[in-house]
Amino acid sequence: EPEVTQTPSHQVTQMGQEVILRCVPISNHLYFYWYRQILGQKVEFLVSFYNNEISEKSEIFDDQFSVERPDGSNFTLKIRSTKLEDSAMYFCASSEGQGIQETQYFGPGTRLLVL
Amino acid sequence: KNEVEQSPQNLTAQEGEFITINCSYSVGISALHWLQQHPGGGIVSLFMLSSGKKKHGRLIATINIQEKHSSLHITASHPRDSAVYICAARGQIIQGAQKLVFGQGTRLTINP
Repeated sequence: EPEVTQTPSHQVTQMGQEVILRCVPISNHLYFYWYRQILGQKVEFLVSFYNNEISEKSEIFDDQFSVERPDGSNFTLKIRSTKLEDSAMYFCASSEGQGIQETQYFGPGTRLLVL
Repeated sequence: KNEVEQSPQNLTAQEGEFITINCSYSVGISALHWLQQHPGGGIVSLFMLSSGKKKHGRLIATINIQEKHSSLHITASHPRDSAVYICAARGQIIQGAQKLVFGQGTRLTINP
C-alpha cells in the first residue's frame, strides 16, 4: 500500500541552524500539508500546498519557515534559523484531491530537537 | 476559528469493554477525521466521515452534523487498542487544500 515517507526520523540541531525536513508524498497526490506537534500538545497545522504554491498557512508559519517541492516527488519544510521552541514532531500529509471523501495520509513524522 | 474538544482526556478500561470517545467542534466542517497515534508518534487515519456512521472491524464512528458532535466506539476492546485517539475537523476549502484542526487527543489504555 502506498505511504507517505519522511526523513530523517530524528534530527538534533543547534539553535540558529537551518534544518530541512523531507517528505515523499503518495505519488498521485496533489495536496500537501505540514503539521507539527510539540510534546504533550495538540497537533497544529502549519501550511498547505497545491499546484506549486502555498494555499494556506498558520500564524506559526512565519518568515523562518518555507516549503518547496523541488522535484516531482519531494516536499520539504525548511526552518531557516531554528529556535528552542521549534522542537516538535513534524508530520507531512498528502491527499489525492479535495473532494468530500478525500482523506489525508500522514507520514511517520520527524522528531526535531533544537538545543 | 474552529475549536475541537475531546472527552475524556484519559480512559482506562478492562479488555472486552465497550469504549466511547467523544468529539465536539464549534463551527461547520466539511468532514471529520478520527486518527490513531501510537507511542512512537506516528499517526494513522482510521475514519473520515461527513455524515452518518462508518464501521471498520471493531471500530465504529458516528457524526451528528446538527449537534456538531462525533463519537468513536470500540467494541470488545483489546490491549492492542491502547493508543491516543485524535479527532480532527476538516474546514473550508482554501484554494483546494483543507487543513485539519485537531483535538487534544484521548489516551486510551486497555488492561488485560
